[in-house]
Amino acid sequence: NAGVMQNPRHLVRRRGQEARLRCSPMKGHSHVYWYRQLPEEGLKFMVYLQKENIIDESGMPKERFSAEFPKEGPSILRIQQVVRGDSAAYFCASSPSQGGADTQYFGPGTRLTVL
Amino acid sequence: AQSVTQLGSHVSVSEGALVLLRCNYSSSVPPYLFWYVQYPNQGLQLLLKYTSAATLVKGINGFEAEFKKSETSFHLTKPSAHMSDAAEYFCAVSAGGTSYGKLTFGQGTILTVHP
Repeated sequence: NAGVMQNPRHLVRRRGQEARLRCSPMKGHSHVYWYRQLPEEGLKFMVYLQKENIIDESGMPKERFSAEFPKEGPSILRIQQVVRGDSAAYFCASSPSQGGADTQYFGPGTRLTVL
Repeated sequence: AQSVTQLGSHVSVSEGALVLLRCNYSSSVPPYLFWYVQYPNQGLQLLLKYTSAATLVKGINGFEAEFKKSETSFHLTKPSAHMSDAAEYFCAVSAGGTSYGKLTFGQGTILTVHP
């Protein structure tokens, strides 16, 4: 059973470009969480999605960031008009159900560098 | 709301010595508690979790943690450090009950193991 897949692993963008980060959850998992790890900081929750629904986006910046988890295909975290402050590692995690006790399985992350 | 404080951003031990990484939490509802490990440029791997069963939790790689409600602590220990334990460790909390599993992380503790 493959783990959580994220691609690309590394992404370089110039200021003003768009970044698209993809996450394929573990087989059978329909719950996806995105977290951001800024340099010298811990991981911060961004958004929680179930198939075709955004459940909680309280950690998402109000502008330029969006997320989706379509019925078919991976979850996408989209950052429009990137700025240098968006440089970070973005991790996706999946779980088999909604419960707070469920283990979240993390992907290897996408490291975004904005030039 | 939940929060996590990890005391000590860096901990250094000798190979064979006791490892103790401290974690205190704050939660308005009974918490679920997790310890994750992150190796350089990799995702997070679950070491162990507390989900309101036994207060002493055993995890992978010889690690264990004890949930102490009176002290609001969930410290991670290992009797004898190995060189391979060098990594960054994160304590995390999610809300117990029926809430979903949004994780709140501590700032992380970098463990260095000396020969």
